[in-house]
Amino acid sequence: EAQVTQNPRYLITVTGKKLTVTCSQNMNHEYMSWYRQDPGLGLRQIYYSMNVEVTDKGDVPEGYKVSRKEKRNFPLILESPSPNQTSLYFCASSKGLDTDTQYFGPGTRLTVL
Amino acid sequence: SQQGEEDPQALSIQEGENATMNCSYKTSINNLQWYRQNSGRGLVHLILIRSNEREKHSGRLRVTLDTSKKSSSLLITASRAADTASYFCATAPTGTASKLTFGTGTRLQVTL
Repeated sequence: EAQVTQNPRYLITVTGKKLTVTCSQNMNHEYMSWYRQDPGLGLRQIYYSMNVEVTDKGDVPEGYKVSRKEKRNFPLILESPSPNQTSLYFCASSKGLDTDTQYFGPGTRLTVL
Repeated sequence: SQQGEEDPQALSIQEGENATMNCSYKTSINNLQWYRQNSGRGLVHLILIRSNEREKHSGRLRVTLDTSKKSSSLLITASRAADTASYFCATAPTGTASKLTFGTGTRLQVTL
């Protein structure tokens, strides 16, 4: 089944404790991205990747890192999480251009205390 | 500011009625997409309409695009309780650095 998976689905952590949210897709998509969703603000792009070893900042990259060592995986790293990073995070992938149909993962609800 | 903005923010209808949601945007686009999100879950792609298209259908969904008014509408006919969700439009502006930009969504409640 074609899908985007994320782990963990739920995470409660404390300020400053490094964490990684994994994202994997099985559709051989070139383009992957991370979004955060906050009430009243819609989805905002954090980082995106056009292909392996090619990443770039989205609209709200501060406090986040990403890597794309393999085509299928695109982890999101929070080196020192803060409470303002409490949010619902989505990974998405698309076949080629970032303007193609996006396939979203199920989301990761992160709470930073 | 958001490229695409949905209207209304919330809509409550009874099962069997039609639901219409609108999306307005600011700049020229390559395409416009509609997504559905069930509470707290990932977005699911519904339909993509290109800038040279005026109307598109998919099952009970009808999407129109008016590039002169920079607006789109999503019509769900004969709505069902299972249609209860938030609906987002996403616009792909023209230009080499274009990327999808999502609106804040319309929350649709379909009651029995």
